[in-house]
Parts: sequence; C-alpha cells; structure tokens
Amino acid sequence: DSGVTQTPKHLITATGQRVTLRCSPRSGDLSVYWYQQSLDQGLQFLIQYYNGEERAKGNILERFSAQQFPDLHSELNLSSLELGDSALYFCASSVASRAGETQYFGPGTRLLVL
Amino acid sequence: GQQLNQSPQSMFIQEGEDVSMNCTSSSIFNTWLWYKQDPGEGPVLLIALYKAGELTSNGRLTAQFGITRKDSFLNISASIPSDVGIYFCAGQPYPNYGQNFVFGPGTRLSVLP
Repeated sequence: DSGVTQTPKHLITATGQRVTLRCSPRSGDLSVYWYQQSLDQGLQFLIQYYNGEERAKGNILERFSAQQFPDLHSELNLSSLELGDSALYFCASSVASRAGETQYFGPGTRLLVL
Repeated sequence: GQQLNQSPQSMFIQEGEDVSMNCTSSSIFNTWLWYKQDPGEGPVLLIALYKAGELTSNGRLTAQFGITRKDSFLNISASIPSDVGIYFCAGQPYPNYGQNFVFGPGTRLSVLP
C-alpha cells in the first residue's frame, strides 16, 4: 500500500458526460501528479499541483481540469467525455528529501466511456 | 522534450534465470526511479537512485544509476513467477527545478515455469 488513495476504482459513463476523480496523497506529501495510461501504453503526465497551486502542465486536454484543495486532496475533472478518454487515471504524490524526489502511485481509477 | 528508451521491450525467461533491463536517455537525469506495474494496478516503486554510480538493492532486485547520468539498469536475480509484469523507469531531468518525471515505455517481463 503506497498510502495514496483514489476513488472511485471503476467508472463507467457515456460520451458527453462529466466525471470527477479524487485523490488523497500520502500524509505529509504536498505534491500531487495526475497521469493517464491508455491500454498497453505508458504513463502520460497530465498535471501537477504543489500545496494547492498548479506547478506544471503536461499533455492535458482543455476538457480536463484539476485542483488541489487546502487539505491537499486533489480532483481531476473530465468533461465532454469521448470514447478515447477511456483509460486508467493515476494520481501520485511525491516526497522530496535532500537526496531527491520520489513518487508514489495510487491504485488508479479505470474509466470506461461508452 | 526528454524521452526515455527502455530495452528490451519485452522478454520471456525461465523461472530461476536472472534478468537485466535498462533505461537510456540522450540527456542527463538527476534521479532514476524503477517501478513494477501489474495489469490494472498502479505502479509500485521498487528502487530510487539519486547519485551517479549509485548501486541499490531491494531483495532480489538491484539497480544502478549510470555514471554518465544518461542511463540506469535494473537486474532481477533468480526470477520467480510473481516477477511477471511491466517494469517502468522514470527519470527526473537535470536541472530538475520545475521538471517533472519522464517515464519510459516499459519492459514487459514474462516468466515461464
């Protein structure tokens, strides 16, 4: 158990709909990252938040948005869903030490758009 | 942007054999992380490396941070069936301020009994 939690574990919805994925980072971690992993593909970085502020953006569509709340949990909002948005969505939190930074992943949310 | 290459893409080995895989980049990295992912699950951190030349072990796994800082290696000794999965490397480019981790495409490992 990495200490990162994600809900829901599975989500089935229809095209055009909007969904919200939730992530709680490990206790004490200030950074949250969101990744998308399509079938048999690698991890695509979407967006990073640090202590409530957006820090970096990757290949995130305009239909997608995220935020990090004061209690450090984060939500990823996906709207106007398309079939191609079906994927595993992972959240990771990171801890930085004098040695370097390490990311720990949650179990993921599997999204199926029909 | 930076890209990571992993080789081999996939490998089939006999139970008990040792496994070697690597991750390479054309640019310098500050940090290397190795993950294992089972189907439908989140990547699990295996080993983290922070210094060039660093050699770190975690049970039967050993990973090294290449001295050129452009590569990293993961070895698994005496493989067992539960080693099956996809192994991803991730690197944090130098300089790392504001830089996010870059992930390799993965090495898919199959272990034959």
